[in-house]
Amino acid sequence: DGGITQSPKYLFRKEGQNVTLSCEQNLNHDAMYWYRQDPGQGLRLIYYSQIVNDFQKGDIAEGYSVSREKKESFPLTVTSAQKNPTAFYLCASSIAGRTGELFFGEGSRLTVL
Amino acid sequence: ILNVEQSPQSLHVQEGDSTNFTCSFPSSNFYALHWYRWETAKSPEALFVMTLNGDEKKKGQISATLNTKEGYSYLYIKGSQPEDSATYLCAFPNTGNQFYFGTGTSLTVIP
Repeated sequence: DGGITQSPKYLFRKEGQNVTLSCEQNLNHDAMYWYRQDPGQGLRLIYYSQIVNDFQKGDIAEGYSVSREKKESFPLTVTSAQKNPTAFYLCASSIAGRTGELFFGEGSRLTVL
Repeated sequence: ILNVEQSPQSLHVQEGDSTNFTCSFPSSNFYALHWYRWETAKSPEALFVMTLNGDEKKKGQISATLNTKEGYSYLYIKGSQPEDSATYLCAFPNTGNQFYFGTGTSLTVIP
């Protein structure tokens, strides 16, 4: 079945550690996105990529890094520079363009201890 | 940062009631407006992608309308069922293909 897979579902991290969240899709989509959700707030864009080997910062990119070496994969690294990393992270993919509907993974919940 | 607003924030209705909620977005540089349904413990799923002013789309008992000149879209649910309980999100893509989401409307349908 085609879809988008995020892992891990739950992750605990000590302060000062970098962690990487995985996002893989087999939908042959060009565009991929990372969003963060905090209580009472909408989904906020961290990074997005319209094509392999290219990505752009969203509104809250500070403290995060990404790579897009393969069309299927768009991993997100939460670095120690991210001041408040505890959140729910959603990955999405779509055909490129503004009318392509987004397909979402099930999310990863990161807790910093 | 674009301002996309949804109201109300939450809604409780009885089974069988009809309901509606609103998404407001910038009326300039409009290209598309997306609606998503997000059920608890699941992934958000697309309901509608709307592009034309005056457009109305329907899926089962759910329908949506679009007014691009004044910058709003309504989502209607006719005869709500408990399985309609979810958070409904709208998203507005800008010219750079960044999708801006509202905070969502949380709907609870009471049996």
